[in-house]
This record gives sequence, C-alpha cells and structure tokens, in this order.
Amino acid sequence: EVQLLESGGELIQPGGSLRLSCAASGFTFNNYAMTWVRQAPGKGLEWVAGISGRGGGTYYPDSVKGRFTISRDNSKNILFLQMNSLRADDTAVYYCAKTMFGLSHDSAFDMWGRGTVVTVSS
Amino acid sequence: SFDLTQAPSVSVSPGQTATIICSGNKLENRYASWYQQRPGQSPVLVIYRDALRPPGIPERFSGSSSGNTATLTITETRALDEADYYCQTWVNNTGVFGGGTKLTVL
Repeated sequence: EVQLLESGGELIQPGGSLRLSCAASGFTFNNYAMTWVRQAPGKGLEWVAGISGRGGGTYYPDSVKGRFTISRDNSKNILFLQMNSLRADDTAVYYCAKTMFGLSHDSAFDMWGRGTVVTVSS
Repeated sequence: SFDLTQAPSVSVSPGQTATIICSGNKLENRYASWYQQRPGQSPVLVIYRDALRPPGIPERFSGSSSGNTATLTITETRALDEADYYCQTWVNNTGVFGGGTKLTVL
C-alpha cells in the first residue's frame, strides 16, 4: 500500500525557517517525481515545489522561489521541503504528493499524504 | 501568467448530472487533471490526461477537453460526491491549479 506521511509542521514566527519531511512507502520511491502542494485555511490548492525522481531537477512557482527548497533522500525514501523567510501567507496545510509520470504535461498527483500544518504567526 | 478559472460553486440534485468547467488560455495544448477534496480530507485524483480514470474511481466520473476548456462530468450524482473539485495542469514543469468548485448536492 502506498503511504505518504508528512511531519515537521508547527507554529513559527515570521522570518523563521522550517523543514518539512514526507516519509514514503509502498512504491519504488526513486522512480517517481514528487511534489509539495499547500492549502491555506479556507482556500484552494497551490503547487509549491516539485523534484524529479533522482533529484536532479527542481521547480518552484514565483511565490516561493528563492525561499523554499525541495530535496529528497532516495536511500531513506524521504522527501523534504526547506522553508526560509516564512511569512504569514505561508500559513497552510502542506501536502506531499506522488506524481504518475514525472513533472510533465501528462502527469498528475495520484497519491497524497494527510498533510502537516504550518502556522506563521508572532 | 497562466490561470485556470473555475466557477466557485455548482449545485445539483441527487441523481442528476453535475458539470464542472475549467477554462484557461492555452489549455487546449495541455492535459488537465481533476481532484476531489471532501471536507477535512486530502485531495483524491479522479481524472487525468483529460479523460482517464485512475483505478477505483467510478465510471460516473468522466472528463473531456475542447479548446481552452476542460470539463468534469459526474452522472447520477450522490450525496457523497459533495466536495470541492480542482482542475490542474502544467506550465514549464510547474503545476497550476484552478481555484476550485464547490459541488453541492441538494
């Protein structure tokens, strides 16, 4: 059974840093690109980062570029999201999601974790 | 910028057909995926590559695409279909989501 389990979310002050983790099981982790998607309270889904299966390619939207870094440890089947210079509008549930075919035009997110809550507030 | 537009809400009576539309410039050159998110739950993929269903998704869910519009159709709508539905595509290896449509089954 495919499982994704996020952790690391907490209450953090503006300007602070946080690292989220996502432990994967039930599939050959290094064969699949992975992503992070967030959802602010009462809002829609926002894609925030993607990484190729071997980690050589990383991608971000402008809203987080330069502040967030996605990485992975394929030896331990763990996905990470390093978040720096956090702002109040980064407050959200952060989901990790597995892609079907990579970070490409025909791909989709076929498995999602339960999410971890990040609250940025003083 | 590239945006995907969805109506904020759609209502349907039980047993009827619900149609949820996603529009965006250049969408005709890209595949769309659809996700269902029930209250308090994680999203679930219901359609990918415009019209394909993942294993376990009922045949009542179907997708199509024409021009700059992608459409999710749910036939014989049931109370358990009440959820938020999001379309999604890709632009230069980055994911883009629509704003979501809240489906209410009255």
